[in-house]
Amino acid sequence: AQTVTQSQPEMSVQEAETVTLSCTYDTSESDYYLFWYKQPPSRQMILVIRQEAYKQQNATENRFSVNFQKAAKSFSLKISDSQLGDAAMYFCAYYRVSNYQLIWGAGTKLIIKP
Amino acid sequence: DTEVTQTPKHLVMGMTNKKSLKCEQHMGHRAMYWYKQKAKKPPELMFVYSYEKLSINESVPSRFSPECPNSSLLNLHLHALQPEDSALYLCASSQESGLRYEQYFGPGTRLTVT
Repeated sequence: AQTVTQSQPEMSVQEAETVTLSCTYDTSESDYYLFWYKQPPSRQMILVIRQEAYKQQNATENRFSVNFQKAAKSFSLKISDSQLGDAAMYFCAYYRVSNYQLIWGAGTKLIIKP
Repeated sequence: DTEVTQTPKHLVMGMTNKKSLKCEQHMGHRAMYWYKQKAKKPPELMFVYSYEKLSINESVPSRFSPECPNSSLLNLHLHALQPEDSALYLCASSQESGLRYEQYFGPGTRLTVT
């Protein structure tokens, strides 16, 4: 069965610095998608970045980038130049093809210190 | 326009009440989802509709009854709920329910059962 593990319940970073959130997953499938979602306090869940498993190149979206290590089943999120608006719960998610289901990690609460 | 709307934003209901949650998207997406989210936890999938047909029911109690009247609209009918059903109910949609389509979330309905 697929599982997603986020080992950091909470992280904090100084504004303008860089932070990396970790995520590991377990699967026997060869083709899948991975996502990072962000959920600010009392606000909407939004997609931050996605990675197709068949692509070797790491996905990048502005200040957000991933380090995708397929063999190690690792999918970390790097946030550069952290801003106050980045404060949120970050969820890593694996897309299970067989039943169209997202398998979610437990989440990492990111605190930005001004 | 990548928007999923949900009404109402907040709902307080007694255990004997009947109420409905509404979700709407106008992105032409053909898959729609209901999730339940407890505080500081990841979302839990409840139902998936694909092309207006229920494709996944994650063993949800019958006091929750989904309905998809058309491709843009998703309802969740509530009846005889329990206090433990209090949670944030999220609706999401995706272009298809297949592999490559990320889910877009609505802001949620915060439900309190008294």
